Amino acid sequence: DAKTTQPPSMDCAEGRAANLPCNHSTISGNEYVYWYRQIHSQGPQYIIHGLKNNETNEMASLIITEDRKSSTLILPHATLRDTAVYYCIVRSYGNNRLAFGKGNQVVVIP
Amino acid sequence: DAGVIQSPRHEVTEMGQEVTLRCKPISGHDYLFWYRQTMMRGLELLIYFNNNVPIDDSGMPEDRFSAKMPNASFSTLKIQPSEPRDSAVYFCASSGGTNEKLFFGSGTQLSVL
Repeated sequence: DAKTTQPPSMDCAEGRAANLPCNHSTISGNEYVYWYRQIHSQGPQYIIHGLKNNETNEMASLIITEDRKSSTLILPHATLRDTAVYYCIVRSYGNNRLAFGKGNQVVVIP
Repeated sequence: DAGVIQSPRHEVTEMGQEVTLRCKPISGHDYLFWYRQTMMRGLELLIYFNNNVPIDDSGMPEDRFSAKMPNASFSTLKIQPSEPRDSAVYFCASSGGTNEKLFFGSGTQLSVL
């Protein structure tokens, strides 16, 4: 599966939108972009995934560029409980080996 | 559903002892995964099962590690003998099918002294 690149850490203001970037320049046509997060001392939690089109659910929105080489996870109104490590993962269809990288430590500041 | 249930939550043992970690997946899920997390290596997939059958154990570090899934509602990860370098958080996860999202348990914090 394609490798992803995320900033190691970032701060976000409480109540504002948090935009988390991810680069996956070697992504291929059958590979999906997945986002998980891990709050301290808990197991990872699924957020959202997409292939080409932008996706939205109750937790976040996923914006994928037209060339699919990068994406942005948007938390519309960040709260203190959104402080976590966020993982951007590229996964090919049918591949059950979900490879977590180092992720992006996001801290929401009051 | 209570989610993926792991036990114990914490385990402290001495080097050379046998350690058994337990996992109950979400009912109806046919995939089960064991992950290990350390500061140095992050989250690593150790092994996964489909319909109780081990599919990929290429992440199992060595013969001291073994995993079983005797039925759809129970899996164990055993380390024998344990070593200090096995100290980590071990997570179990389950999913309802290929490409489905994974649901993780709360993990077992293992300390081998």
